[in-house]
Amino acid sequence: AQSVTQLDSHVSVSEGTPVLLRCNYSSSYSPSLFWYVQHPNKGLQLLLKYTSAATLVKGINGFEAEFKKSETSFHLTKPSAHMSDAAEYFCVVRETDSWGKLQFGAGTQVVVTP
Amino acid sequence: DAGVTQSPTHLIKTRGQQVTLRCSPKSGHDTVSWYQQALGQGPQFIFQYYEEEERQRGNFPDRFSGHQFPNYSSELNVNALLLGDSALYLCASSPPPGSGAEQFFGPGTRLTVL
Repeated sequence: AQSVTQLDSHVSVSEGTPVLLRCNYSSSYSPSLFWYVQHPNKGLQLLLKYTSAATLVKGINGFEAEFKKSETSFHLTKPSAHMSDAAEYFCVVRETDSWGKLQFGAGTQVVVTP
Repeated sequence: DAGVTQSPTHLIKTRGQQVTLRCSPKSGHDTVSWYQQALGQGPQFIFQYYEEEERQRGNFPDRFSGHQFPNYSSELNVNALLLGDSALYLCASSPPPGSGAEQFFGPGTRLTVL
């Protein structure tokens, strides 16, 4: 069975400072991992995905994530937060033999202060 | 390309009623998945349709049913509505399962049950 745990429900950062969103996963097989972002009243947008290639994955808007199998983690980072980064972020796992079922974490709400 | 579209945007129903939500997939996609996102939670997988058949189902009661049409669009039906069915219902489309491609999400339908 697969599961995802997002370790922080809320993160508050100052504009221009680094952002770290933590995610641990549990999977019986080699998973695919994703980070999605959800802005208010908008649909989910894919930030980046890991599918067993390079362990350091670069995404859109300056975000990146590192897959660490030994720690079963897939933390999301950004060197410098922007006001537009304020949103809800979801870590997501998909089994490789799955027909496509995505398992979402509970989400991390990011607040960016000036 | 209009992306994934959903209708209606919002609707209000009373307990015991039935509701139908609609989804048109992104151009070139033939697989549709439905998710329920309760307030303050991550999306939960309801089911997935491919080639007009339900291929995978999450932990939802039989009151939740669906359909996929030959043009790949899909409907989600919920019977005997409960207050707990109030949520944002998200539709996601993708190429055929096993392709490894990510799912694209629509903006969702906000269902309120009174």
